Amino acid sequence: AQSVTQPDIHITVSEGASLELRCNYSYGATPYLFWYVQSPGQGLQLLLKYFSGDTLVQGIKGFEAEFKRSQSSFNLRKPSVHWSDAAEYFCAVGVGLTGGGNKLTFGTGTQLKVEL
Amino acid sequence: EAGVTQSPTHLIKTRGQQATLRCSPISGHTSVYWYQQALGLGLQFLLWYDEGEERNRGNFPPRFSGRQFPNYSSELNVNALELEDSALYLCASNPGQEGETQYFGPGTRLLVL
Repeated sequence: AQSVTQPDIHITVSEGASLELRCNYSYGATPYLFWYVQSPGQGLQLLLKYFSGDTLVQGIKGFEAEFKRSQSSFNLRKPSVHWSDAAEYFCAVGVGLTGGGNKLTFGTGTQLKVEL
Repeated sequence: EAGVTQSPTHLIKTRGQQATLRCSPISGHTSVYWYQQALGLGLQFLLWYDEGEERNRGNFPPRFSGRQFPNYSSELNVNALELEDSALYLCASNPGQEGETQYFGPGTRLLVL
Protein backbone atom coordinates (compact mmCIF):
# COMPACT_ATOMS: atom_id res chain seq x y z
CA ALA A 1 0.00 0.00 0.00
CA GLN A 2 1.13 3.52 -0.66
CA SER A 3 2.36 5.73 2.16
CA VAL A 4 4.01 9.08 2.70
CA THR A 5 6.41 9.91 5.51
CA GLN A 6 7.26 13.38 6.67
CA PRO A 7 9.80 12.75 9.40
CA ASP A 8 9.83 16.27 10.81
CA ILE A 9 6.70 17.19 12.75
CA HIS A 10 7.93 20.68 13.62
CA ILE A 11 10.65 22.84 12.09
CA THR A 12 11.74 26.30 13.19
CA VAL A 13 13.85 28.52 10.95
CA SER A 14 14.89 32.15 11.07
CA GLU A 15 13.50 34.52 8.49
CA GLY A 16 15.87 34.67 5.55
CA ALA A 17 17.33 31.23 6.21
CA SER A 18 17.00 28.36 3.79
CA LEU A 19 14.45 25.62 4.26
CA GLU A 20 14.20 21.96 3.37
CA LEU A 21 11.20 19.84 4.28
CA ARG A 22 11.61 16.12 3.85
CA CYS A 23 9.19 13.71 2.25
CA ASN A 24 9.58 10.01 1.52
CA TYR A 25 6.98 7.93 -0.26
CA SER A 26 6.26 4.30 -0.80
CA TYR A 27 4.44 3.42 -4.00
CA GLY A 28 4.90 0.65 -6.51
CA ALA A 29 4.49 2.66 -9.68
CA THR A 30 5.68 6.04 -10.88
CA PRO A 31 4.05 8.42 -8.46
CA TYR A 32 2.23 11.67 -8.88
CA LEU A 33 3.67 13.83 -6.11
CA PHE A 34 2.37 17.03 -4.59
CA TRP A 35 3.18 19.56 -1.92
CA TYR A 36 0.33 21.51 -0.34
CA VAL A 37 0.38 24.23 2.30
CA GLN A 38 -2.30 24.86 4.91
CA SER A 39 -2.61 28.03 6.95
CA PRO A 40 -4.51 27.81 10.26
CA GLY A 41 -8.20 27.13 9.73
CA GLN A 42 -7.82 27.10 5.96
CA GLY A 43 -7.96 24.60 3.15
CA LEU A 44 -4.98 23.28 1.22
CA GLN A 45 -3.16 25.35 -1.37
CA LEU A 46 -1.10 23.60 -4.03
CA LEU A 47 2.57 24.62 -3.99
CA LEU A 48 3.87 22.34 -6.73
CA LYS A 49 3.52 18.95 -8.35
CA TYR A 50 5.58 16.31 -10.11
CA PHE A 51 4.12 14.03 -12.74
CA SER A 52 7.07 13.21 -14.99
CA GLY A 53 10.01 14.78 -16.78
CA ASP A 54 12.40 17.20 -15.12
CA THR A 55 12.98 16.03 -11.57
CA LEU A 56 13.39 19.57 -10.24
CA VAL A 57 10.04 21.33 -10.20
CA GLN A 58 9.31 24.94 -9.46
CA GLY A 59 6.24 26.07 -7.60
CA ILE A 60 4.59 29.16 -6.28
CA LYS A 61 5.99 31.48 -3.60
CA GLY A 62 9.59 30.60 -4.51
CA PHE A 63 9.35 26.93 -3.54
CA GLU A 64 10.95 24.07 -5.44
CA ALA A 65 11.12 20.33 -4.97
CA GLU A 66 13.33 17.57 -6.28
CA PHE A 67 12.14 14.08 -7.12
CA LYS A 68 14.75 11.42 -6.40
CA ARG A 69 13.51 8.02 -7.46
CA SER A 70 16.50 6.16 -5.97
CA GLN A 71 15.73 7.63 -2.55
CA SER A 72 11.93 7.65 -2.91
CA SER A 73 12.04 11.26 -1.86
CA PHE A 74 10.40 14.52 -2.87
CA ASN A 75 11.89 17.18 -0.63
CA LEU A 76 10.62 20.75 -0.63
CA ARG A 77 13.08 23.64 -0.56
CA LYS A 78 13.12 27.39 -0.40
CA PRO A 79 16.32 29.44 -0.43
CA SER A 80 15.07 32.26 1.81
CA VAL A 81 12.08 31.89 4.11
CA HIS A 82 9.66 34.73 4.76
CA TRP A 83 7.62 35.13 7.95
CA SER A 84 4.46 34.56 5.89
CA ASP A 85 5.65 31.02 5.08
CA ALA A 86 4.76 29.88 8.59
CA ALA A 87 2.11 27.19 8.04
CA GLU A 88 1.69 23.43 7.85
CA TYR A 89 3.09 21.66 4.82
CA PHE A 90 1.78 18.38 3.46
CA CYS A 91 3.40 16.05 1.00
CA ALA A 92 1.03 13.76 -0.92
CA VAL A 93 1.15 10.96 -3.45
CA GLY A 94 -1.63 10.52 -5.99
CA VAL A 95 -2.81 6.95 -6.37
CA GLY A 96 -4.82 5.92 -9.39
CA LEU A 97 -8.34 4.66 -8.79
CA THR A 98 -10.41 2.35 -10.92
CA GLY A 99 -12.31 4.52 -13.32
CA GLY A 100 -9.60 7.09 -13.90
CA GLY A 101 -9.51 9.20 -10.79
CA ASN A 102 -6.84 9.40 -8.16
CA LYS A 103 -6.94 9.75 -4.41
CA LEU A 104 -4.31 11.60 -2.45
CA THR A 105 -2.46 9.89 0.36
CA PHE A 106 -0.96 12.51 2.64
CA GLY A 107 1.92 12.61 5.03
CA THR A 108 1.29 13.73 8.58
CA GLY A 109 2.48 17.24 7.83
CA THR A 110 5.34 19.48 8.96
CA GLN A 111 4.53 22.56 10.99
CA LEU A 112 6.87 25.39 10.03
CA LYS A 113 7.57 28.20 12.46
CA VAL A 114 9.52 31.25 11.30
CA GLU A 115 11.45 33.29 13.81
CA LEU A 116 11.86 36.98 13.07
CA GLU B 1 -11.99 32.02 -12.03
CA ALA B 2 -13.77 31.03 -8.83
CA GLY B 3 -12.19 28.31 -6.75
CA VAL B 4 -13.81 25.45 -4.89
CA THR B 5 -16.40 26.68 -2.43
CA GLN B 6 -17.81 24.90 0.61
CA SER B 7 -20.67 25.60 2.95
CA PRO B 8 -21.22 26.05 5.76
CA THR B 9 -17.85 27.11 7.15
CA HIS B 10 -18.73 25.81 10.59
CA LEU B 11 -21.34 23.33 11.75
CA ILE B 12 -22.23 22.28 15.28
CA LYS B 13 -24.30 19.16 15.85
CA THR B 14 -25.04 16.81 18.68
CA ARG B 15 -24.33 13.11 18.77
CA GLY B 16 -26.83 11.08 16.77
CA GLN B 17 -27.86 13.94 14.47
CA GLN B 18 -27.19 14.18 10.75
CA ALA B 19 -24.87 16.69 9.08
CA THR B 20 -24.97 17.88 5.48
CA LEU B 21 -21.96 19.56 3.93
CA ARG B 22 -21.90 21.13 0.48
CA CYS B 23 -19.24 21.67 -2.14
CA SER B 24 -19.17 23.50 -5.47
CA PRO B 25 -16.27 22.56 -7.75
CA ILE B 26 -14.30 24.77 -10.06
CA SER B 27 -16.18 25.42 -13.29
CA GLY B 28 -15.44 22.67 -15.80
CA HIS B 29 -14.36 20.14 -13.18
CA THR B 30 -16.43 16.97 -13.08
CA SER B 31 -14.75 15.16 -10.19
CA VAL B 32 -15.27 15.94 -6.52
CA TYR B 33 -13.26 14.36 -3.74
CA TRP B 34 -14.00 14.53 -0.03
CA TYR B 35 -11.35 14.25 2.67
CA GLN B 36 -11.54 14.24 6.45
CA GLN B 37 -8.89 15.98 8.53
CA ALA B 38 -9.35 14.86 12.10
CA LEU B 39 -7.05 15.67 14.96
CA GLY B 40 -4.51 12.92 15.35
CA LEU B 41 -5.63 11.06 12.23
CA GLY B 42 -4.39 13.38 9.51
CA LEU B 43 -5.94 13.80 6.08
CA GLN B 44 -7.87 10.78 4.89
CA PHE B 45 -9.65 10.14 1.60
CA LEU B 46 -13.41 9.75 2.10
CA LEU B 47 -15.27 9.67 -1.22
CA TRP B 48 -14.87 10.34 -4.93
CA TYR B 49 -17.71 11.43 -7.21
CA ASP B 50 -17.48 11.81 -10.95
CA GLU B 51 -20.18 12.47 -13.53
CA GLY B 52 -22.88 12.09 -10.90
CA GLU B 53 -21.76 8.71 -9.59
CA GLU B 54 -19.92 7.56 -6.50
CA ARG B 55 -16.75 6.01 -7.95
CA ASN B 56 -14.72 5.09 -4.90
CA ARG B 57 -14.72 5.43 -1.16
CA GLY B 58 -12.13 5.27 1.56
CA ASN B 59 -12.19 3.24 4.72
CA PHE B 60 -15.22 4.90 6.27
CA PRO B 61 -18.52 3.40 7.44
CA PRO B 62 -21.68 3.61 5.30
CA ARG B 63 -23.11 6.42 7.45
CA PHE B 64 -20.76 8.63 5.45
CA SER B 65 -22.50 9.10 2.13
CA GLY B 66 -23.24 11.74 -0.41
CA ARG B 67 -24.19 12.55 -3.93
CA GLN B 68 -23.21 14.63 -6.90
CA PHE B 69 -25.71 16.78 -8.71
CA PRO B 70 -26.03 17.40 -12.47
CA ASN B 71 -24.11 20.68 -12.08
CA TYR B 72 -21.27 18.64 -10.46
CA SER B 73 -21.73 20.17 -7.02
CA SER B 74 -21.69 17.64 -4.24
CA GLU B 75 -23.16 16.98 -0.86
CA LEU B 76 -21.63 14.94 1.95
CA ASN B 77 -23.99 13.48 4.51
CA VAL B 78 -22.89 12.08 7.82
CA ASN B 79 -25.62 10.19 9.65
CA ALA B 80 -25.77 9.13 13.30
CA LEU B 81 -23.00 11.53 14.23
CA GLU B 82 -20.37 10.40 16.68
CA LEU B 83 -18.01 12.55 18.70
CA GLU B 84 -15.05 11.34 16.64
CA ASP B 85 -16.64 12.73 13.47
CA SER B 86 -15.53 16.17 14.64
CA ALA B 87 -13.08 17.26 11.98
CA LEU B 88 -12.37 19.58 9.10
CA TYR B 89 -14.00 18.22 5.96
CA LEU B 90 -12.26 19.26 2.78
CA CYS B 91 -13.63 19.06 -0.70
CA ALA B 92 -11.43 19.06 -3.79
CA SER B 93 -12.18 19.09 -7.48
CA ASN B 94 -10.34 18.24 -10.67
CA PRO B 95 -11.14 17.69 -14.33
CA GLY B 96 -11.66 13.98 -13.75
CA GLN B 97 -8.54 12.48 -15.26
CA GLU B 98 -6.09 10.30 -13.38
CA GLY B 99 -3.18 12.25 -12.04
CA GLU B 100 -4.76 15.62 -12.45
CA THR B 101 -4.20 18.12 -9.67
CA GLN B 102 -6.87 18.40 -7.02
CA TYR B 103 -7.83 21.89 -5.93
CA PHE B 104 -9.17 22.26 -2.43
CA GLY B 105 -11.87 24.37 -0.89
CA PRO B 106 -11.59 26.09 2.51
CA GLY B 107 -13.33 23.26 4.34
CA THR B 108 -16.24 22.84 6.73
CA ARG B 109 -15.38 22.52 10.37
CA LEU B 110 -17.81 20.04 11.98
CA LEU B 111 -18.07 19.89 15.73
CA VAL B 112 -20.08 17.10 17.32
CA LEU B 113 -21.11 17.63 20.94
